[in-house]
Amino acid sequence: EIVLTQSPGTLSLSPGERATLSCRASQSVSSSYLAWYQQKPGQAPRLLIYGASSRATGIPDRFSGSGSGTDFTLTITRLEPEDFAVYYCQQYGSSPYTFGQGTKLEIK
Amino acid sequence: QVQLQESGPGLVKPSGTLSLTCAVSGGSISSSDWWSWVRQPPGKGLEWIGEIFHSGSTNYNPSLKSRVTISVDKSKNQFSLKLSSVTAADTAVYYCARRGWSAVDSWGQGTLVTVSS
Repeated sequence: EIVLTQSPGTLSLSPGERATLSCRASQSVSSSYLAWYQQKPGQAPRLLIYGASSRATGIPDRFSGSGSGTDFTLTITRLEPEDFAVYYCQQYGSSPYTFGQGTKLEIK
Repeated sequence: QVQLQESGPGLVKPSGTLSLTCAVSGGSISSSDWWSWVRQPPGKGLEWIGEIFHSGSTNYNPSLKSRVTISVDKSKNQFSLKLSSVTAADTAVYYCARRGWSAVDSWGQGTLVTVSS
């Protein structure tokens, strides 16, 4: 089983700032099958990034993903008020398709 | 745009079996996608439970495999989850979802299942 470790656990930033979230895998993620999701309270997760760096339909270009192998990053440039939420990474290249524990992005 | 809707009892007794169904609309369950279950205990993170293809092929989380059955009903365009021998640790919001080639791109709204006597 691939274990995903996200850091930091909580990130405190202000609107307009840049956010950098990390997801590290215990072993290489097959074919960069790494996704990022955003979850707001009381809502289902929403797909942001798939294939490590491809934006899902309707996702603003301030969201970008990068990385390969075992190290992946989600970057949000110019934070908007609606971006403050919990973010999860997930690998879907090797069953079981594990999630990271999440990073909470909060308003500073 | 495919839509998914979970249904089932919100309360299950300890040692009982949790049963949920996910109705798929706006698309066919016989497509090339996989149909998944994910859960989230209150205040905690996401846990992948398993998935099924329309052919009946399944993948399960080894941590739950001995207690989980996921099935598909193509005639009703829906799929189901059964989790046996439940305990309080199985209390969670259960989501059904679609995994396409671009990861899990569609989710149900989620349904809270509480295990309590």
